[in-house]
Amino acid sequence: DTEVTQTPKHLVMGMTNKKSLKCEQHMGHRAMYWYKQKAKKPPELMFVYSYEKLSINESVPSRFSPECPNSSLLNLHLHALQPEDSALYLCASSQVAGRGTDTQYFGPGTRLTVL
Amino acid sequence: GQQLNQSPQSMFIQEGEDVSMNCTSSSIFNTWLWYKQDPGEGPVLLIALYKAGELTSNGRLTAQFGITRKDSFLNISASIPSDVGIYFCAGSGSARQLTFGSGTQLTVLP
Repeated sequence: DTEVTQTPKHLVMGMTNKKSLKCEQHMGHRAMYWYKQKAKKPPELMFVYSYEKLSINESVPSRFSPECPNSSLLNLHLHALQPEDSALYLCASSQVAGRGTDTQYFGPGTRLTVL
Repeated sequence: GQQLNQSPQSMFIQEGEDVSMNCTSSSIFNTWLWYKQDPGEGPVLLIALYKAGELTSNGRLTAQFGITRKDSFLNISASIPSDVGIYFCAGSGSARQLTFGSGTQLTVLP
């Protein structure tokens, strides 16, 4: 099973709202990622968690707040977003040891629209 | 930082034709990955390559990890309508994070 699930599929929010994106995987992966993707562009890395600890923050604005409650779950809390934050948000996971640690499996994404 | 050049940027082909796309890097990679993405969906892993010279097939898809470790290609044989989408290469080097190519938009004409 190489499935990563994400909820919700679509989200529309105002600039004063607080919302959360959720990601789950049951592949036993201990690395999880958040990416932002604009139309017809490649994904851009936002955050990396390794063993439930934040290991990389690609200078993402503080209005995006990641959280990794356990080894299977990854959240992205959103607050006071701007219209330019509208994008497809992708979650991914990978192993952290052995061959294939660079191989990331992506979820279906959450399409976020900020009004 | 590492950069990936992916070509072509777009392709229009007839159903049944073969397709080839490639990526080149300014630096050495240890892993090459090929993903396909449909509109509004996440990238789906097609083929993973871990060794220089490695040639791997997945149905009608074939990909190779270049000997220099700076390039990779993906071939699709006998294209069908469901092959339509954006294909991304991605490489991983010493930083162990993925660098993505800019994507190849494939259109298959009936």
